[in-house]
Order: sequence, then C-alpha cells, then structure tokens
Amino acid sequence: SYVLTQPPSVSVAPGQTARLTCGGNNIGSKSVNWYQQKPGQAPVLVVYDDSDRPSGIPERFSGSNSGNTATLTISRVEAGDEADYYCQVWDSSSDQGVFGPGTNVAVL
Amino acid sequence: QVQLQESGPGLVKPSETLSLSCTVSGDSISSYYWSWIRQAPGRGLEWIGYVYYSGSTNYNPSLKSRVTISVDTSKNQFSLKLRSVTAGDTAVYYCARGDYYAKVDYWGQGTLVTVSS
Repeated sequence: SYVLTQPPSVSVAPGQTARLTCGGNNIGSKSVNWYQQKPGQAPVLVVYDDSDRPSGIPERFSGSNSGNTATLTISRVEAGDEADYYCQVWDSSSDQGVFGPGTNVAVL
Repeated sequence: QVQLQESGPGLVKPSETLSLSCTVSGDSISSYYWSWIRQAPGRGLEWIGYVYYSGSTNYNPSLKSRVTISVDTSKNQFSLKLRSVTAGDTAVYYCARGDYYAKVDYWGQGTLVTVSS
C-alpha cells in the first residue's frame, strides 16, 4: 500500500515560517489534504487538493505539491498553531485513504 | 451547520464485535461519503473506510475482513461494525463526512472505545 512519511516534529519561533513536508512516491500526481489536530480535539481540514483552503482557515496556511514531496507552509506562526498535522491522500491502487504519521509543531 | 455524533459502547470485550453509530444533523446523508477513522492512544490517524448513501463501500484492506460500514438513510445515520476485536482496536473512533477520495470536511467529536475483559 502507499506510504507517506512526515518528520515527527518541527519547532518554530512565533512569527516565523513553518514548513511541514509529506513524502510519498510520486505524490505530486495525487491530491493532498492536510489536517490540524489539537490535543483532545477532532482534526480540522486546513488545506485540501494540494493548495486550497476551506472557508475560515487563515491565509497563513498554504500548500504545494510536486515530485515526491508535498508541503504545508504556515506563515507568521502563532502559539495557537501548536498541534499535530497530518497529510492524507487517496491510494487509487488499493482504493483506500492513507494518512501520514503526523508532525507535531511546537511553537518556541 | 453539519454535525456528527458518535454513539455506542465505550467498552468491548476481546473477540466480540464493536458497534458504533453516527447521527448526522444539518445535512442529508443522501449525498457525500460517510467515513470512519480511528486513532489509537498516542498514535496517528487510521482510515477505516466509508459508505456512500447508495450503500457502496470502500474499506482499509488491513481491516476489510472484519469491518462492515452501513447506512440508514431513513434515520440519517451510518454505522460501523468491527468483528473479533483485540486490544489493538482500542482507539478513539471518529465518524466524518467526506468525498470519494477520503477528503474529510466535517468530523464528529470522537468516542473512545476500549477493548478489555
């Protein structure tokens, strides 16, 4: 089945930019969705179809996808952005949704 | 505003069947794909599968032999059954609304199911 890789953790200072990566074989050919999950809460969709934002999600959240890496970029990071972030794709070869292992973002 | 609410036992014995329901409000279940996703304690998200209102389904191959997801349009509900559970099935189970490609835009709050004797 299709495997996604994410770094376990990323640390970033307030006001700086966090770049979270999601690796997969030719992931650029797939649509990538990103979810934010804060402790004790359900995940929230923050970016879908590589780079679109649902209504209500700040423009500080953006996405890109090319080659073997998709990236979620959080600009002007705030303390409230501390959370786990999961990438997700559809694996058409096995007809299943696949999540990455998640990246914990710590705001210093 | 779409809302989803999981319901079902919080404790299931090993080898028995885990059964959960999800009630959808604020939207008709007769559209979209309705998913179950779980998260073991301290772990990441795992996609279990989904059902379309027509009854067609897709399941995670690793769980397919034990899982059934069904829909009841008259009650605006969908359900999960996971057979022959073990301690490894202990997790928070989320119901969710999404599309064919498993993109999820609305989630339930999640319900913790513990498998223990």
